[in-house]
Amino acid sequence: DTGVSQDPRHKITKRGQNVTFRCDPISEHNRLYWYRQTLGQGPEFLTYFQNEAQLEKSRLLSDRFSAERPKGSFSTLEIQRTEQGDSAMYLCASSPGTNNEQFFGPGTRLTVL
Amino acid sequence: AQSVAQPEDQVNVAEGNPLTVKCTYSVSGNPYLFWYVQYPNRGLQFLLKYITGDNLVKGSYGFEAEFNKSQTSFHLKKPSALVSDSALYFCAVRDIGGGGNKLTFGTGTQLKVEL
Repeated sequence: DTGVSQDPRHKITKRGQNVTFRCDPISEHNRLYWYRQTLGQGPEFLTYFQNEAQLEKSRLLSDRFSAERPKGSFSTLEIQRTEQGDSAMYLCASSPGTNNEQFFGPGTRLTVL
Repeated sequence: AQSVAQPEDQVNVAEGNPLTVKCTYSVSGNPYLFWYVQYPNRGLQFLLKYITGDNLVKGSYGFEAEFNKSQTSFHLKKPSALVSDSALYFCAVRDIGGGGNKLTFGTGTQLKVEL
């Protein structure tokens, strides 16, 4: 399978716990994006990497959120001290260039109890 | 700031009839425009894009879209709808004049194709 993969697909956690999600992009894609999608809304941009450099961050990305792409391949998104408002689908996408479409993974659905 | 409007929450069409899903956008520079489709419990799938060139863009599964700069629109169309086209459709824009690399999505339009 050469698509974008995300792990886990589902995560249920209690408020205040930390969670970490992983994204593996399509192997030749040097650009990687994280989005968040809540029910009834379109995806909202969180952050963007070109290789290992994090070049853009949304104001949605509070101090409790951190993302890394240490070797320019897979990426992790960590949420510390989760809140119920963090419940959403977290989507990862990758692309080979800025003029290209982004290819999305299946998402990680986070539920914070 | 860049934004996208999809004015219809839901579009209903009979199988075999033409379908249109509307999208308008707002950017400060020139737009890159995209349509994605989302099936239940699955990720977004790319349908088509407008970057430059011909205003009529053809994409996957028989879909096409027309870029209209004066009306700032990028409506999705298909000449003959199939029941299997029923899904959630998202329009997205990237502002190449200063919006960075992010895509801004509309709120989505649920397409329901009935027999």
